[in-house]
Amino acid sequence: SYVLNQPPSVSLAPGETARMTCGGDNIRSKTVHWYQQGPGQAPVLVVYDDRVRPSGISERFSASNSGNTATLTISRVEAGDEADYYCLVWDNISAHWVFGGGTKLTV
Amino acid sequence: DVQLVESGGGLVKPGGSLRLSCATSGFIFNNYIMNWVRQAPGKGLEWVSSINGNSRHIYYADSVRGRFSISRDNARRSLYLDISSLRAEDTAVYYCAKDNYDQGGYYFESWGQGTQVTVSS
Repeated sequence: SYVLNQPPSVSLAPGETARMTCGGDNIRSKTVHWYQQGPGQAPVLVVYDDRVRPSGISERFSASNSGNTATLTISRVEAGDEADYYCLVWDNISAHWVFGGGTKLTV
Repeated sequence: DVQLVESGGGLVKPGGSLRLSCATSGFIFNNYIMNWVRQAPGKGLEWVSSINGNSRHIYYADSVRGRFSISRDNARRSLYLDISSLRAEDTAVYYCAKDNYDQGGYYFESWGQGTQVTVSS
């Protein structure tokens, strides 16, 4: 089955740029979605269709998908961005949704 | 506004069963694929099951196929997950999630707050 690999953690100072990766075999052939989950909270969609921000999501959030890696970028990180971030794709071969293991962002 | 409210979780013994429900409002329920996603304590998100609007297309994760059954009642605007032969590893918060669809494909647009299922003797 398809596997998505995310680094377990990223730690930055306020104002820096966070780049969180999601690795998968030829992931550029898939559409990647990203979710933010604060402590004790439900996930929130922050990017869909590789790079589209839902209304209400800060312009500091952007994303890309190329080769074997998709990337979620958060510019000028703030304490309020501390959360777990998950990537998600649909695997056509197995007909399964697949989540990455998640990256914990510490600011 | 879209609202998704899960219920039905609780403490159940290994081998037991539960029915989880997700009551919805704020959108045309039968037009959308609905999903269940779970999260074990301290772990990541795991997709469980999906069902399309007319219930003709249903998908399950390998870890739950044969033990879990997803269904929906469009008249009641409700989604269900019948879970049986429960194991300790099924202990998790179970989330209901609504799909959306555009030119890029499907994605989980909105989530409920979850219901806790604990399997323990």
